[in-house]
Amino acid sequence: DIQMTQSPDSLSASVGDRVTMTCRASQSISDFLNWYQQKPGKAPKLLIHTASSLQSGAPSRFTGNVSGTDFTLTINGLQPEDFAIYYCQQSYSTPTFGQGTKVE
Amino acid sequence: QVHLVESGGGLVKPGGSLRLSCAASGFTFSDYFMSWIRQAPGKGLEWIGYITKTGSSKNYADSVKGRVTISRDNSKNSLYLEMNNLGVEDTAVYYCARERSGSYSTFDSWGQGTLVTVSS
Repeated sequence: DIQMTQSPDSLSASVGDRVTMTCRASQSISDFLNWYQQKPGKAPKLLIHTASSLQSGAPSRFTGNVSGTDFTLTINGLQPEDFAIYYCQQSYSTPTFGQGTKVE
Repeated sequence: QVHLVESGGGLVKPGGSLRLSCAASGFTFSDYFMSWIRQAPGKGLEWIGYITKTGSSKNYADSVKGRVTISRDNSKNSLYLEMNNLGVEDTAVYYCARERSGSYSTFDSWGQGTLVTVSS
């Protein structure tokens, strides 16, 4: 299986900050990378698909980028409702998720 | 509006089995692949398996292969997960998820989850 490694495991930020987190794949996955947001006690919510495409309904402050096997999720202007755990997931082969980055 | 509602969770003894259901509404259920994904308490997400639109094909994670069966009834807009020989490591919230049309293994809608606790 393809391993997905996210960094950092957690980060501390304030409202209004620009926040960036990274996800690295153990092998090439092209742009088959998705980002999800999960709040406590809730199901994950798809934010970004195919590395950089904003899912319908997701706020435009979320952007995704890719460079080789490194993927980034950026939140431009952190909002109070953005404090959550963010997971990356590859859809290139049998789906696997990263371990998550907690924004607190 | 897409709505997925899981049911069937609860306390199961080690070695036991479970059958979870997922009721879908708000979309044409038979047009979509569907998956089950689980999350152990305080842990990350683990894909369990998927089923194609007609149910003619399924694929499972190696970690559960041989113990799990995913099925669907398009006439009832329902998805099912059966798992046997449960161990404590199967304790988790189980989610059903819709796969985004044209983007397989991209999960664009999730249920609220149902908790399965395996304990004696």
